[in-house]
Amino acid sequence: NAGVTQTPKFQVLKTGQSMTLQCAQDMNHEYMSWYRQDPGMGLRLIHYSVGAGITDQGEVPNGYNVSRSTTEDFPLRLLSAAPSQTSVYFCASSYEGSGSDGYTFGSGTRLTVV
Amino acid sequence: AQSVTQLDSQVPVFEEAPVELRCNYSSSVSVYLFWYVQYPNQGLQLLLKYLSGSTLVESINGFEAEFNKSQTSFHLRKPSVHISDTAEYFCAVRTNAGKSTFGDGTTLTVKP
Repeated sequence: NAGVTQTPKFQVLKTGQSMTLQCAQDMNHEYMSWYRQDPGMGLRLIHYSVGAGITDQGEVPNGYNVSRSTTEDFPLRLLSAAPSQTSVYFCASSYEGSGSDGYTFGSGTRLTVV
Repeated sequence: AQSVTQLDSQVPVFEEAPVELRCNYSSSVSVYLFWYVQYPNQGLQLLLKYLSGSTLVESINGFEAEFNKSQTSFHLRKPSVHISDTAEYFCAVRTNAGKSTFGDGTTLTVKP
């Protein structure tokens, strides 16, 4: 059981470049989300999805796009990378969005924008 | 809106000593409470959760947390820590609508 798989694990981008962070889960979870983790700031929600075809913004959505065409995949797109987007990105999923489920997290993507 | 405050950013303790990691929260609606652990260069893992019922919840590796509604707290405790417990610990709340709010984390360092 793979759980939540994130690729790539590391990435260096130049300012202005675009890229997609991949997230896939094999647990048939309806709820998926993206967080960024910065030192001393905990985790901040970027975007989330309660099911295929449904996405919504979180706390810090600017500069990021998402789509959810299948239950399994929830890619995060950086449109024009900026140094402020240097961070560790985590994808998390849960069986449903009702609140009583804990999350399963991926192992993270460490992104550096130069 | 919800907020989570972890009262200590760093907690150093010696091996086999007891430890308490403190978490306070505020919310205008009912929430579920969680503790997650993050080992170096890994993602977060669910440690334990409080949904309802008994206010004391336990994990399989000896941690326990007590929900205190009047003080809106969910402190994490372990009576005797091991070197392997060194990690960052996050307290989180989640509403029925599904959104989670995380604390800033507490780094637990267990020294020999």
